Amino acid sequence: AQKITQTQPGMFVQEKEAVTLDCTYDTSDPSYGLFWYKQPSSGEMIFLIYQGSYDQQNATEGRYSLNFQKARKSANLVISASQLGDSAMYFCAMRGGANSKLTFGKGITLSVRP
Amino acid sequence: EPEVTQTPSHQVTQMGQEVILRCVPISNHLYFYWYRQILGQKVEFLVSFYNNEISEKSEIFDDQFSVERPDGSNFTLKIRSTKLEDSAMYFCASIGGGITGELFFGEGSRLTVL
Repeated sequence: AQKITQTQPGMFVQEKEAVTLDCTYDTSDPSYGLFWYKQPSSGEMIFLIYQGSYDQQNATEGRYSLNFQKARKSANLVISASQLGDSAMYFCAMRGGANSKLTFGKGITLSVRP
Repeated sequence: EPEVTQTPSHQVTQMGQEVILRCVPISNHLYFYWYRQILGQKVEFLVSFYNNEISEKSEIFDDQFSVERPDGSNFTLKIRSTKLEDSAMYFCASIGGGITGELFFGEGSRLTVL
């Protein structure tokens, strides 16, 4: 079974500053993938970034980077230079095997202050 | 860019009525999923579908739920007799294949059961 834990309460960040959203996971699968999705108030799920369990380097996608610490089973999302449009709910998720379902954490609300 | 489309975007129904939510996955994708998100809560897996049959389902996906791929493009979720607690956003998602592939989500169908 897979488990994703997101325990931070609502997060606040000043515009243009960086913010880290925490995610820890648990799985018995030897190979797995970790994902972050953004859900703005309009409701859609927007893919942000992916990290494979065997990837040697941390994933980066523009202002998003994933701080992957395999031994600690953590996959924190770092957003640099926050923008007002980054205000949203952020979900960490994982997949244990090819084409298997994604398991989601409960999400973190991020609010960017001007 | 290819996208997953869902209809209707919002449906209001009376308790006990049947509801069909429709999805058109990305055309060359092979794996299809339905997820549910009760307002403000986590995204929950309902069912996955591959090769014209259910490959996995959650405990939420009881006898009131069914999925079908009636033709080469549509993927439907049917709720036979809706309950108040079925009120949620329902997301369809698809993936081409492989552990590194992201799940492409539709914009969701909001179901309100009165």
